[in-house]
Amino acid sequence: GQQLNQSPQSMFIQEGEDVSMNCTSSSIFNTWLWYKQDPGEGPVLLIALYKAGELTSNGRLTAQFGITRKDSFLNISASIPSDVGIYFCAGPDGLRAGNNRKLIWGLGTSLAVNP
Amino acid sequence: DGGITQSPKYLFRKEGQNVTLSCEQNLNHDAMYWYRQDPGQGLRLIYYSQIVNDFQKGDIAEGYSVSREKKESFPLTVTSAQKNPTAFYLCASSITGVTYGYTFGSGTRLTVV
Repeated sequence: GQQLNQSPQSMFIQEGEDVSMNCTSSSIFNTWLWYKQDPGEGPVLLIALYKAGELTSNGRLTAQFGITRKDSFLNISASIPSDVGIYFCAGPDGLRAGNNRKLIWGLGTSLAVNP
Repeated sequence: DGGITQSPKYLFRKEGQNVTLSCEQNLNHDAMYWYRQDPGQGLRLIYYSQIVNDFQKGDIAEGYSVSREKKESFPLTVTSAQKNPTAFYLCASSITGVTYGYTFGSGTRLTVV
């Protein structure tokens, strides 16, 4: 079945540094979603990408939909302590036709920020 | 404000007891989902429902049961058959067709002793 490979698995950075993480798949995705999960909470949608090559920003966050449609990148600029959490990529399970579809999830990138 | 509510936030049960986790949404979403999260293992799908009175098993359904009698509610029962029930459980909802993603609840941490 479809799988999403997310890297790195974890990161420990200093406040103010930029962060980059990515998500790859062996199959094509038509939508890429990036979520952030704060400790002890549910994930929250950060950015949604719907077109190959698309570059979308949300404040200090920027995400790109890879040209091959098999990868996506999320960058965080000038990190701050509240960026701590787990970042997940996700995309619709394309193996199921029509509306009866669910999301496929990466395993997440855990980010720690040292003040 | 519309949202999805999970209760309780923390739950403790003795081994061998069934326990039901609540999930309610007022977003008018048709689809609802239950995930289990263990450290380092990401989100694993337990059950999902696309419409009232219908639901499908996810990747790790054994030892769990659900019902979908109302559009707003999708309770999850962790039965005594679940070998390792201690985990963080997340409920989510979406419009039919998940292009716009899920809305998650804040989770329930279940500890079985």
